[in-house]
Order: sequence, then C-alpha cells, then structure tokens
Amino acid sequence: EPEVTQTPSHQVTQMGQEVILRCVPISNHLYFYWYRQILGQKVEFLVSFYNNEISEKSEIFDDQFSVERPDGSNFTLKIRSTKLEDSAMYFCASSRLRRETQYFGPGTRLLVL
Amino acid sequence: GQQVMQIPQYQHVQEGEDFTTYCNSSTTLSNIQWYKQRPGGHPVFLIQLVKSGEVKKQKRLTFQFGEAKKNSSLHITATQTTDVGTYFCASMDSNYQLIWGAGTKLIIKP
Repeated sequence: EPEVTQTPSHQVTQMGQEVILRCVPISNHLYFYWYRQILGQKVEFLVSFYNNEISEKSEIFDDQFSVERPDGSNFTLKIRSTKLEDSAMYFCASSRLRRETQYFGPGTRLLVL
Repeated sequence: GQQVMQIPQYQHVQEGEDFTTYCNSSTTLSNIQWYKQRPGGHPVFLIQLVKSGEVKKQKRLTFQFGEAKKNSSLHITATQTTDVGTYFCASMDSNYQLIWGAGTKLIIKP
C-alpha cells in the first residue's frame, strides 16, 4: 500500500539555524499538508499546498516557515531560523482531493537546542 | 474560529473494560473524523462521519455523530492491549483546515 514518507526521522539543530524537513507524498495525491505536534499536545495544522502554491495556512505558519515542491516528488518544509519553541514532531500528510482522507507520514522529530 | 473540545484527557482501563472518548463543539460541524496515534507513531485515519445521528462500527469500535452535529463519540468495547494509544477527533472547517481535539490517551492498567 502506498504511504507518505518523511526524512529525516530525527533532527537536532541549534537555535537560529535553518532546517529543511522532507516529505514524499503518495504519488497520485494532489493536496499536501504540514502539521505540528508539540510533545504530548494536540496536532496543529500549519499549511496546505495545492498546484504548487499554498492554499491555506494557520497563524503558526509565519514568515519563518516556507514550503516548496522542488521536484515532482518531494514536498519540503523550511524553518528559516529555528527557535526553541519549534521543537516538535512535524507530520506531512497528503490527500487525493481536498475533502478526502489525509494520510500521514511517520513524522520528523525536531529538537532545537 | 472553530474549536473542538475532547474529553477525557486520559482514561485508564483494565483490559476487557470499555473505553469512550467524547468530542464537542459550540458550532455545527460539517464532519467529524477520528484518528488513532500509537505511542511514538503518527495519526492514522479511522473514520469520517458526515450525517446527523450517524453511527458507524468497525469491529469493537463504535463511532457516533450527534443529531445536532455538535458532538461525537468513539466507544471501544472490551479493550485489548492493541487498542493502546491516543484517539483524536478532528473536523475540517470551512477553510479546509483540520481542527483537532486534544486527544484521549487510552492506558491499559497492568
């Protein structure tokens, strides 16, 4: 069964550094998403992406964040200058159509020191 | 904006006992989705309910959507160790954003 993959599984970085989290959505899916889950807390929507542009973003998704689909398969989340409070699990998800089931990747655990 | 409240935060049960988690909203929801997240894992979609009063079953799991479409519940009959994890409800709002409940962690007592 096709699945969403994410790399790396863990990333440790120093505060102020840039990080890029990578995702490969399911191949025939058109909508891509990033979510964040701070340890022990609820899942929070960050951004959705369709047709090579952002379709929705939350208040969390400020100017420090950007997303890109650099090629036909990867979908990336960049955090420009990480802060301590960016430490969280970041999940990528994809869906075939906007209202359809979203399939989640295994996540990248980001730790900012 | 739309918010989804979920209770309880934790539920400790003996294996074989039942488990229930509840979600509610002050506004009418167009849909409710349920996810399971195993410890250290990622959310896995279980089901979506869209109709008022809808009830769906998956083996020992029963999902309900309230008549007013403002509340929902997930009930697990006779819990097993494989049921351990956190169960989240979520609802897609008018901006197509998934709004999540805080989750209920199911803990099986040894």
